[in-house]
Amino acid sequence: DGGITQSPKYLFRKEGQNVTLSCEQNLNHDAMYWYRQDPGQGLRLIYYSQIVNDFQKGDIAEGYSVSREKKESFPLTVTSAQKNPTAFYLCASSLRRGTDLNQPQHFGDGTRLSIL
Amino acid sequence: SQQGEEDPQALSIQEGENATMNCSYKTSINNLQWYRQNSGRGLVHLILIRSNEREKHSGRLRVTLDTSKKSSSLLITASRAADTASYFCATGLQGAQKLVFGQGTRLTINP
Repeated sequence: DGGITQSPKYLFRKEGQNVTLSCEQNLNHDAMYWYRQDPGQGLRLIYYSQIVNDFQKGDIAEGYSVSREKKESFPLTVTSAQKNPTAFYLCASSLRRGTDLNQPQHFGDGTRLSIL
Repeated sequence: SQQGEEDPQALSIQEGENATMNCSYKTSINNLQWYRQNSGRGLVHLILIRSNEREKHSGRLRVTLDTSKKSSSLLITASRAADTASYFCATGLQGAQKLVFGQGTRLTINP
């Protein structure tokens, strides 16, 4: 079955440590996204990528980094510069259809990150 | 305030009743989408309505869009306990390559 796999499901970060969240999709989607969700709130966009080897900052990119070396993979690194990393992180992907942007997004089941 | 704002923030109804959630937005859109999120899980896409459409149906879901009022509503008819979840609207902005999500409506269906 096609889908998006996020791992790990739970992750703990120590002070000064960088951690990387994995996101893999086998939907053959060009576009991929990372969101942060805080309790009782909506999704805020961290980074997104429309094609391999290209990505753009979202609304809250500070303290995060990404790479897009393969179409299927879009890992997110939470760096030590992110002072409040505790949140639920969601990865999503979507098709690109020419100039018809804003396609429906398919989501993984998230990674919950906490500080030790 | 955010592009997409939902109302109410929380809604609790009895099984079998209809549930209505509203979404308002500020700028011109290509489309508006509704998603469901069960607790601790990712979002699931429910329905997309384009800016030139006024109403769309999918099973027990009915979505309306009023671009003059910059608002949309999601109606779930004959609610079931399994409909208990958070529901988010997301706007596809003109000229942007991303969706903007609202803060969601938390729906509880009581048996």
